[in-house]
Amino acid sequence: GNSVTQMEGPVTLSEEAFLTINCTYTATGYPSLFWYVQYPGEGLQLLLKATKADDKGSNKGFEATYRKETTSFHLEKGSVQVSDSAVYFCALSGVDSSYKLIFGSGTRLLVRP
Amino acid sequence: EPEVTQTPSHQVTQMGQEVILRCVPISNHLYFYWYRQILGQKVEFLVSFYNNEISEKSEIFDDQFSVERPDGSNFTLKIRSTKLEDSAMYFCASSATAFSNQPQHFGDGTRLSIL
Repeated sequence: GNSVTQMEGPVTLSEEAFLTINCTYTATGYPSLFWYVQYPGEGLQLLLKATKADDKGSNKGFEATYRKETTSFHLEKGSVQVSDSAVYFCALSGVDSSYKLIFGSGTRLLVRP
Repeated sequence: EPEVTQTPSHQVTQMGQEVILRCVPISNHLYFYWYRQILGQKVEFLVSFYNNEISEKSEIFDDQFSVERPDGSNFTLKIRSTKLEDSAMYFCASSATAFSNQPQHFGDGTRLSIL
């Protein structure tokens, strides 16, 4: 079935470190891919998206490239800040005539000063 | 920026009781969704709603669940007879269209605790 797999957390980094959170997917057809972020006590916020192969989504210094050949959508940021501490969810949509979001399990990021 | 709002933020209910979770989607959105997240598990799709009817539902969304848009602004999720395993964070979302490339906007969630 359709699914999203994320790397286990928590990921702990020092401020200004490089971030990668791995995300791979299994899907029939050509899904749209998303990263959502959840800050403490808040809901899910869209961080970025990509809707076709080789698209790069970017926002707030975060980037992810839709790689069809490796079925991946890894999240990267060159220099993290303490304020980036949150839970990050990879998700897909648009498979099997459905527009529901299918989420990964989430990866908690903790950035230390 | 327009927001999806959910009330209450936390609901505590005795097992077997009915509970209604409320959501106000973004005003010009037409598609509405409920998701839930049991503690430590993935966010799971429950149901989508368009034009006053359910457009898709998951296996989780059994006869104990129902959704309604009672007026032009609210969207509700009702659980008729709550079970312990219904304890979870429930998220409402809305989108302007159903196209997969259009983002769904989420509320802050209602934490439901069943005693």
